[in-house]
Amino acid sequence: NAGVTQTPKFRILKIGQSMTLQCAQDMNHNYMYWYRQDPGMGLKLIYYSVGAGITDKGEVPNGYNVSRSTTEDFPLRLELAAPSQTSVYFCASSYLPSQGQESTDTQYFGPGTRLTVL
Amino acid sequence: AQKITQTQPGMFVQEKEAVTLDCTYDTSDPSYGLFWYKQPSSGEMIFLIYQGSYDQQNATEGRYSLNFQKARKSANLVISASQLGDSAMYFCAMRTGGSQGNLIFGKGTKLSVKP
Repeated sequence: NAGVTQTPKFRILKIGQSMTLQCAQDMNHNYMYWYRQDPGMGLKLIYYSVGAGITDKGEVPNGYNVSRSTTEDFPLRLELAAPSQTSVYFCASSYLPSQGQESTDTQYFGPGTRLTVL
Repeated sequence: AQKITQTQPGMFVQEKEAVTLDCTYDTSDPSYGLFWYKQPSSGEMIFLIYQGSYDQQNATEGRYSLNFQKARKSANLVISASQLGDSAMYFCAMRTGGSQGNLIFGKGTKLSVKP
């Protein structure tokens, strides 16, 4: 069981370049998330998805786009890279039952992608 | 506003001793969950323990226990019998009932275990 996988592990971009960070999970989780972690800080939510075809903004969505065409995949796109997007990016997934039901809905994280924009 | 506060940027503990990492939270949602994650120097986020707002007993997972004091809005992590491998960043996080499962993270506490 691979869990949550992310590619690439490291990437250096020049200002203005674009790239897609890949994320896949094999746990049949309905929820998926993208976070960024800046040095010395906790994680901040960029975008999330509650299921295939449904995405929504998190706390820091500017400069990013996402899509969720399948349950398994949740890529994150940077269109015009800026130095402020230098960070470590984590993808996560969880299973949430129907609304109103209490659950542990533990989020399982991928290994992260370390992105530097120069 | 929903918020997680971890007031200890860094902590030291002697090997084999117990240590408590502090976490306070703020939410008006009656239904919420509290999580602790460990981030070693390799960078991955490892889930440690979960406490639901309606749970009557404190959560325990092996050497980890969560000291949940609902009235004080605190969810401190207790690590018993510290090991050198416990040296890492520790993050407290909260998920509220109306947040679509999104986690709000604190800034973390760096724990260093001394031999």
